[in-house]
Amino acid sequence: DSGVTQTPKHLITATGQRVTLRCSPRSGDLSVYWYQQSLDQGLQFLIQYYNGEERAKGNILERFSAQQFPDLHSELNLSSLELGDSALYFCASSDEEASSYEQYFGPGTRLTVT
Amino acid sequence: AQKITQTQPGMFVQEKEAVTLDCTYDTSDQSYGLFWYKQPSSGEMIFLIYQGSYDEQNATEGRYSLNFQKARKSANLVISASQLGDSAMYFCAMRERSTGGFKTIFGAGTRLFVKA
Repeated sequence: DSGVTQTPKHLITATGQRVTLRCSPRSGDLSVYWYQQSLDQGLQFLIQYYNGEERAKGNILERFSAQQFPDLHSELNLSSLELGDSALYFCASSDEEASSYEQYFGPGTRLTVT
Repeated sequence: AQKITQTQPGMFVQEKEAVTLDCTYDTSDQSYGLFWYKQPSSGEMIFLIYQGSYDEQNATEGRYSLNFQKARKSANLVISASQLGDSAMYFCAMRERSTGGFKTIFGAGTRLFVKA
């Protein structure tokens, strides 16, 4: 158990809909990262938050947005969903002060868009 | 341009033997970090090992070691004494600075099959 929790584990929704994925980082970790893993694109970095502030952006679509709240949990919002958004979405957290910069991954949320 | 390249889509190894999984990377930064993660069929991502760009010694964690050759920009993972439970997908990743924070870029992965 990495200490990172993600809800829900599975989500099935229709095209055009909007969903929110939730992540709670490990206790004490200020950094949260979001990733998308799909068969055709592999594991793609989406966005990083640190202590409530957006720090780095990767291949995140404009239809997607994220935020990190004062209690450090984070949410990833996906809107106007398309079939191609079906993927496993991971959240990871890290202690940026640690020498190994290890990211602890949550179990993921599997999103299926029908 | 591909920043992390894993050229072996699949690898087979006999139980108890050592195996090397290849990874090359591309960056113009002087400060970066390299990781290996394991993803079993259950789907979770498990951290294995980390190497910083300024670390002079190769990282080791139990049966895992990272063969870091900076001039060649390679960071191969060596698994010694393979076990059946090592069968999984293995990802090489690089952490590099992005404006205000850090990005982690993953390779396409290598699927390792350990034979009994």
